[in-house]
Order: sequence, then structure tokens, then C-alpha cells
Amino acid sequence: EVQLVESGGGLVQPGGSLRLSCAVSGFTFSDHYMDWVRQAPGKGLEWVGRSRNKANTYTTEYAASVKGRFAISRDGSETSLYLQMNGLKTDDTAVYYCARVSNWGNRYDLDVWGQGTTVTVSS
Amino acid sequence: DIQMTQSPSSLSASVGDRVTITCRASQGISNYLAWFQQKPGKAPKSLIYAASSLQSGVPSKFSGSGSGTDFTLTISSLQPEDFATYYCQQYKSYPLTFGGGTKVEIK
Repeated sequence: EVQLVESGGGLVQPGGSLRLSCAVSGFTFSDHYMDWVRQAPGKGLEWVGRSRNKANTYTTEYAASVKGRFAISRDGSETSLYLQMNGLKTDDTAVYYCARVSNWGNRYDLDVWGQGTTVTVSS
Repeated sequence: DIQMTQSPSSLSASVGDRVTITCRASQGISNYLAWFQQKPGKAPKSLIYAASSLQSGVPSKFSGSGSGTDFTLTISSLQPEDFATYYCQQYKSYPLTFGGGTKVEIK
């Protein structure tokens, strides 16, 4: 069974840092692109960024709102995705989801999502 | 950036109704369009990819259509478990963008 489990959320002060983790199982992690998506309280979904697969040397893309502050990486054992968040702002308060990008043919849609982890940025 | 505009933002419908939600892209995205369902306090769930292809395990009462800039999600016969918020998303180009959501409520 494909599973994505996020962790690492919590309360942090403005300007602080936090690292989120997404533990994956049930599929070959290195073959898939992986995304982070967030949802502010009572708001819609916002794409945060992407880690491409091993064949594409795990290169990354980011939304303008987080570029230069957030960084996506993977661990060497290829079982976890990370989101390092620095310079946090109150606007970064949200539930953060990791999502798998399908690699069937030319799909590239987000086919499996984790349950989310909550980040609150407040003094 | 490609803007995704959903309409309506909310609707009230009865069990058994046929419901259609529209999503418009600010520029052509071919068929790189997905639909998601989200229930309160839960993660989004993939319903449709490539504008009209049903995700594995999703019931056939859900269908998608469109190409280019105009897309629709149709629920053929609304059931109690379908009351939720629905989002479209384009994955043609970065940054990936979502529509604002359509909340489907019980009439």
C-alpha cells in the first residue's frame, strides 16, 4: 500500500525555522517526482514546490512565495522527503501536505497525498 | 502564472442531483488538468487526471471533460458522501496552480 506520512509541524515564531518530513512506503521513491502543497486555515490549496526524481537528479522547483526561504530535499536512504522552512512568516501558517506525482506515461498529476502536518507561525 | 478560475464558488444540491462545476484556465493548458475532492479536516483526494481520466478506484459517477482553457467536472447523481469541496489544478507549467474551490452543500 502506498503511504505518505508527514511530521514535524508545530508552533514557531516569525523568522524561525522548521523542517517537515514525509515518510514514504509502498513504491519506489526515487522513480517519482514529489510535491509539497499547503492550505492556510479556511483557504484553498497552494502548491509550494517539487523535487524531481533520481533520473532528473532531484532538481527542484518552488512557488515564488517561498523561493529562497524553503528548500526541498530527500534523504540518502530514499525513504523520506523534507521541506526545510527558514525565515517563516505568519502567512506560512498552514497545513502542509506532501504528494506523489504519478509517473505513468505522461501523467504528472498528484495521485497520492499524505494526511498533512500543521505549521503555525505566531509570536 | 496560469490563473485557474472555478465556478460557482459554492452550490446547494439535493441527493440524486446532477452537478457540474466549471474551471477556466487563463491560457491554454491542453489536457493537463486534475480534479480533487476534499472533505473537512481531510487531505485532498485525486478524482480525475488528464482532464477526463478517472483515477483508479474513483466511482464512474464522476466525469471530467474539456481541453485548452475550459473544463468541467460532473457528478451524475449526488450522494451524501459527495458533499465536499472540489478543486481543479493545472500541471502544464510551473508554478502549478489550483482553482479557488467549489463547496458542494446539501440543499
